[in-house]
Amino acid sequence: DVKVTQSSRYLVKRTGEKVFLECVQDMDHENMFWYRQDPGLGLRLIYFSYDVKMKEKGDIPEGYSVSREKKERFSLILESASTNQTSMYLCASEGRQETQYFGPGTRLLVL
Amino acid sequence: SQQGEEDPQALSIQEGENATMNCSYKTSINNLQWYRQNSGRGLVHLILIRSNEREKHSGRLRVTLDTSKKSSSLLITASRAADTASYFCATGLSGTYKYIFGTGTRLKVLA
Repeated sequence: DVKVTQSSRYLVKRTGEKVFLECVQDMDHENMFWYRQDPGLGLRLIYFSYDVKMKEKGDIPEGYSVSREKKERFSLILESASTNQTSMYLCASEGRQETQYFGPGTRLLVL
Repeated sequence: SQQGEEDPQALSIQEGENATMNCSYKTSINNLQWYRQNSGRGLVHLILIRSNEREKHSGRLRVTLDTSKKSSSLLITASRAADTASYFCATGLSGTYKYIFGTGTRLKVLA
């Protein structure tokens, strides 16, 4: 079974802090994704990566950056956290069957 | 607005009844997928239907796709209390790695 893990289930940070969210998958998948999920808005794509060191912006990349130094790990970085980045963050990886496998999510609260 | 929009937003049925959810989208797609999310968790893939397919079955799930109407439906037959969750459609956009998720249908199955 594919396993996608995220570094934290819950996180509380202060405005202005730099925040790292880590995602690791164990199935050698090329494609990895970061989404945020907010009530009434569904999932929105922040960034995705189709190979090591390769990334593309999604629909809402402002205020975020990503890093993919190794195939199994895709990190989301909030350079300077703001209250409007309080959300549920979901990581996913995708294999050749075009199925996305999601991690359990990180619920981030920015105070 | 979102590429994928589910209808209804919420649905409450009795155990044993069938549940039908609909998804509409706007642009050309490679495939359409349905996912399920239990409260506060990551999404779990249910079924994928390709743009050249019209209907697909998996256990108690039946998915239809009408590309001329840009719509899909998910039917869950003989529902169980354990089917209580949110259901999302995701459209795989032609020529990209991107997927657009809808806002979801919250299904409640009453025992």
